[in-house]
Amino acid sequence: EAQVTQNPRYLITVTGKKLTVTCSQNMNHEYMSWYRQDPGLGLRQIYYSMNVEVTDKGDVPEGYKVSRKEKRNFPLILESPSPNQTSLYFCASSSGDGVWAPLHFGNGTRLTVT
Amino acid sequence: KNEVEQSPQNLTAQEGEFITINCSYSVGISALHWLQQHPGGGIVSLFMLSSGKKKHGRLIATINIQEKHSSLHITASHPRDSAVYICAVREYNTDKLIFGTGTRLQVFP
Repeated sequence: EAQVTQNPRYLITVTGKKLTVTCSQNMNHEYMSWYRQDPGLGLRQIYYSMNVEVTDKGDVPEGYKVSRKEKRNFPLILESPSPNQTSLYFCASSSGDGVWAPLHFGNGTRLTVT
Repeated sequence: KNEVEQSPQNLTAQEGEFITINCSYSVGISALHWLQQHPGGGIVSLFMLSSGKKKHGRLIATINIQEKHSSLHITASHPRDSAVYICAVREYNTDKLIFGTGTRLQVFP
């Protein structure tokens, strides 16, 4: 089944403890991206990647890192999480450069930083 | 001012009604997406368009590039259409994806 898999679904951590949220897709998509969703603010793009070893900042990249060493994986890294990074996170992928094809979303990761 | 504005923010309807959700944007775009987010949180892509009109079942999406406006229509609405509908644009110069804050639709039997 074609899908985008995010792990974990729920994560509670403490300020400053490094964490990684994984994202994997099995559709051989070139374009992958990360978003956070907050009440009243909607979805905001954190980082995106057009292909392996190519990543670009979205609207809210501060405090996050990404890597794209393989086509199927696009992990989101929080080196030193802070409470203002408590949010619902989504990964998505799309074929090509992501412009002319629909987005496929993962099920989301709810992160709480205390 | 947000670069992508949706209206209305909240919408209630009786089953069978015709629904329209609007999206206006202020940036140059290469594509516009309509997404559906169900109460469980999952997000599904409904349409991706760059011009004209697309139809899928009871859903119709239109876009007017000159007016920087798109509409999502739902014909013969049903309670299972209850969800948050989100408009997103792919900014032409930067390739960033910019989202509206969503329209919460509730359809009652």
